[in-house]
Amino acid sequence: NAGVTQTPKFQVLKTGQSMTLQCAQDMNHEYMSWYRQDPGMGLRLIHYSVGAGITDQGEVPNGYNVSRSTTEDFPLRLLSAAPSQTSVYFCASRPPGTVATGYTFGSGTRLTVV
Amino acid sequence: RKEVEQDPGPFNVPEGATVAFNCTYSNSASQSFFWYRQDCRKEPKLLMSVYSSGNEDGRFTAQLNRASQYISLLIRDSKLSDSATYLCVVISTSGTYKYIFGTGTRLKVLA
Repeated sequence: NAGVTQTPKFQVLKTGQSMTLQCAQDMNHEYMSWYRQDPGMGLRLIHYSVGAGITDQGEVPNGYNVSRSTTEDFPLRLLSAAPSQTSVYFCASRPPGTVATGYTFGSGTRLTVV
Repeated sequence: RKEVEQDPGPFNVPEGATVAFNCTYSNSASQSFFWYRQDCRKEPKLLMSVYSSGNEDGRFTAQLNRASQYISLLIRDSKLSDSATYLCVVISTSGTYKYIFGTGTRLKVLA
């Protein structure tokens, strides 16, 4: 099993450009989330999905879109990149259930917006 | 007040030492707790869950104090390879599970 796979690992964008961060998992997890990690801020939830066709906003959703057409894939789209979106982005997944379970994280995408 | 707070450190300890970190949380309705380990420039990885009765995994012991609203992680016989940032995660239920990550405590184990 590959677990959670994120691409690309590094990206530099110019202000105003758009791009899609890819995330795929092969563990048949229903729950998937996107986080950003900034120094001193901890991991902050951008968007999440509890299953194919269902997405919702997290703590910091502005400037980002998501879709979940399959259980495996959960891409994150930056609509018009801004320097404030320079960050490390992590995709994570976990199985559903009545008991909270730990997330499995992808290796991250380091994004710089200039 | 932040929902989850951790001392950022760094905690510099010699090899073989015992070190403990605390993580305080503000929501008394929080139900589940985890410790994650994050190496420099890597993704967080689940270290262990935290159970009400306390739990141990080798050199690592996690404990929960609901009355004082904190969880702790104790590392015995520290190894150089334990050097990392340790994140606590607090989960509360408000419709769906809400995972709140602490900013992490940095540990450096020195030879």
